[in-house]
Amino acid sequence: GAVVSQHPSWVICKSGTSVKIECRSLDFQATTMFWYRQFPKQSLMLMATSNEGSKATYEQGVEKDKFLINHASLTLSTLTVTSAHPEDSSFYICSASGTGMLAKNIQYFGAGTRLSVL
Amino acid sequence: AQTVTQSQPEMSVQEAETVTLSCTYDTSESDYYLFWYKQPPSRQMILVIRQEAYKQQNATENRFSVNFQKAAKSFSLKISDSQLGDAAMYFCAYRSPNTGNQFYFGTGTSLTVIP
Repeated sequence: GAVVSQHPSWVICKSGTSVKIECRSLDFQATTMFWYRQFPKQSLMLMATSNEGSKATYEQGVEKDKFLINHASLTLSTLTVTSAHPEDSSFYICSASGTGMLAKNIQYFGAGTRLSVL
Repeated sequence: AQTVTQSQPEMSVQEAETVTLSCTYDTSESDYYLFWYKQPPSRQMILVIRQEAYKQQNATENRFSVNFQKAAKSFSLKISDSQLGDAAMYFCAYRSPNTGNQFYFGTGTSLTVIP
């Protein structure tokens, strides 16, 4: 299957700082990328959907000014958690889907990023 | 929004035995995709198997197979010859053709494999 790389895998930051998480599709063009948040032992909660070159569409209740998403190319999307606070501590996962036989109609997932805000 | 239900929060199976995980969904659409993803302790989501709704034949991937009952809106996953590496959270997911490839996930089933 297709490969999605997510970096960093774990980040610790001080309250009030911003953190950027990168999501890259390595062997296909990701026309759409998704960002999820997952709490321990729970399912994935969709935060936003981004299409290459367009503004992200945020789910209800997700603050777009706090969670900035950029999808400037067909292989890279970034999630920036601005002015992070302890309640933003969580596991963030990206996924990507695209065109072609490899990634059409399927979401391939990154390995996730564990964010700990002190 | 579509609803995906996994009624078994936890399941266990003896190594080498067979286990079935259940999933039901609610939709008024006729064409869609269904998936099972595995999330091991590493938390990397791995695609296990997928099924297109227009295909009547049940999908199979090695030891993994599905029982797709479209009329009943049921999509169960059967794992044969269970191995220790199968221990993970399993999520059922529904993809609508009308929501830009957005997936709707169930709440997951935690599978324990007993040696």
